[in-house]
Amino acid sequence: RKEVEQDPGPFNVPEGATVAFNCTYSNSASQSFFWYRQDCRKEPKLLMSVYSSGNEDGRFTAQLNRASQYISLLIRDSKLSDSATYLCVVKVLGNTGKLIFGQGTTLQVKP
Amino acid sequence: NAGVTQTPKFQVLKTGQSMTLQCAQDMNHEYMSWYRQDPGMGLRLIHYSVGAGITDQGEVPNGYNVSRSTTEDFPLRLLSAAPSQTSVYFCASISLQRGYGYTFGSGTRLTVV
Repeated sequence: RKEVEQDPGPFNVPEGATVAFNCTYSNSASQSFFWYRQDCRKEPKLLMSVYSSGNEDGRFTAQLNRASQYISLLIRDSKLSDSATYLCVVKVLGNTGKLIFGQGTTLQVKP
Repeated sequence: NAGVTQTPKFQVLKTGQSMTLQCAQDMNHEYMSWYRQDPGMGLRLIHYSVGAGITDQGEVPNGYNVSRSTTEDFPLRLLSAAPSQTSVYFCASISLQRGYGYTFGSGTRLTVV
């Protein structure tokens, strides 16, 4: 079983739609959680951290459920520019900095 | 601009050849790492380092060597290239003290024929 699992998609949605991605992780010692965005043939870039209380950044909302070991990302009012692959990322306990990446979920926003 | 610089951007190797992928960062980050990305597999950790002189293996270290003689540089060596090493390679760094988000290099696309 992979340490971090995501539905690879693709999710095809019209502009303006709301879309949600989920991610599950297997290591209960996981400490920090992130969503990264990766555009085609580019490097991943940090989208947002995920906090236990949930957090929002504009049209993006991230949630963490430690009991069920899943993380979610909600995108409201989808834009064409949101088309990308979204990577769920987990850091296990300790300060080595090592991150575990999910395989990513691909979003395609259509006009 | 500050960041992570990877070279080369593209490389084609013949089976059995060796080469070094270069990675340099100018942010004084303690932690540096190498990942490979393959379709359907996501990013997999090859090797990482928490400071000069300290390296450790990740998930898929076989066929690769690393060294960290300075804080800035973390080269990845392919000892004897194999077609299975055809991939996109990313170098990433992070400050262990600030600990917020990796900075990635732009990647090296390697093809082994």
